[in-house]
Amino acid sequence: DTGVSQNPRHKITKRGQNVTFRCDPISEHNRLYWYRQTLGQGPEFLTYFQNEAQLEKSRLLSDRFSAERPKGSFSTLEIQRTEQGDSAMYLCASSPDNQETQYFGPGTRLLVL
Amino acid sequence: QKEVEQDPGPLSVPEGAIVSLNCTYSNSAFQYFMWYRQYSRKGPELLMYTYSSGNKEDGRFTAQVDKSSKYISLFIRDSQPSDSATYLCAMTSWSGGGADGLTFGKGTHLIIHP
Repeated sequence: DTGVSQNPRHKITKRGQNVTFRCDPISEHNRLYWYRQTLGQGPEFLTYFQNEAQLEKSRLLSDRFSAERPKGSFSTLEIQRTEQGDSAMYLCASSPDNQETQYFGPGTRLLVL
Repeated sequence: QKEVEQDPGPLSVPEGAIVSLNCTYSNSAFQYFMWYRQYSRKGPELLMYTYSSGNKEDGRFTAQVDKSSKYISLFIRDSQPSDSATYLCAMTSWSGGGADGLTFGKGTHLIIHP
């Protein structure tokens, strides 16, 4: 196992377009998290999945954002009608049950023009 | 006031020096504390994890937690140029059965010069 993977690594889009990112967690990690990180800031929590169930959503996750984890394995994060303020690094992390440590992927860097 | 405060630096030290990185926090419910290292344009890499108060050592790294002061530290001994990165503190009140994202500091940009 090579850790958490994310695709694409970079995405440039025009304002108003929809984008979708994918995260593949470490195998057998049932917990999956999405974060957003802007320049000069630490990651900010967006949402959490336990298997396929989305159990927690931050107030940062506006209606334009939706996340899924349909079979409890990989997850997708979709942003609709992107805005320039959505430009950031989107990070995915996973952890095993009953462990608080989270392991991060390399991130997807989004630039909205 | 943010929940977690961390000086963004940059902190520049000579190779071989002992580095001290710190965070303060305001939420007394936090009980799990982590340090991550992040190289430019990469994802955070877990370095150290501690539970509640006390010290933990792993090679050149020592993590220290003082819950009474709401203060955590990371010490790096015999610092190397390859240690140059941004160091993020993170914490959670995670209770074992619930869902908690990590709360991060801004990160301290560390530069080790030869």
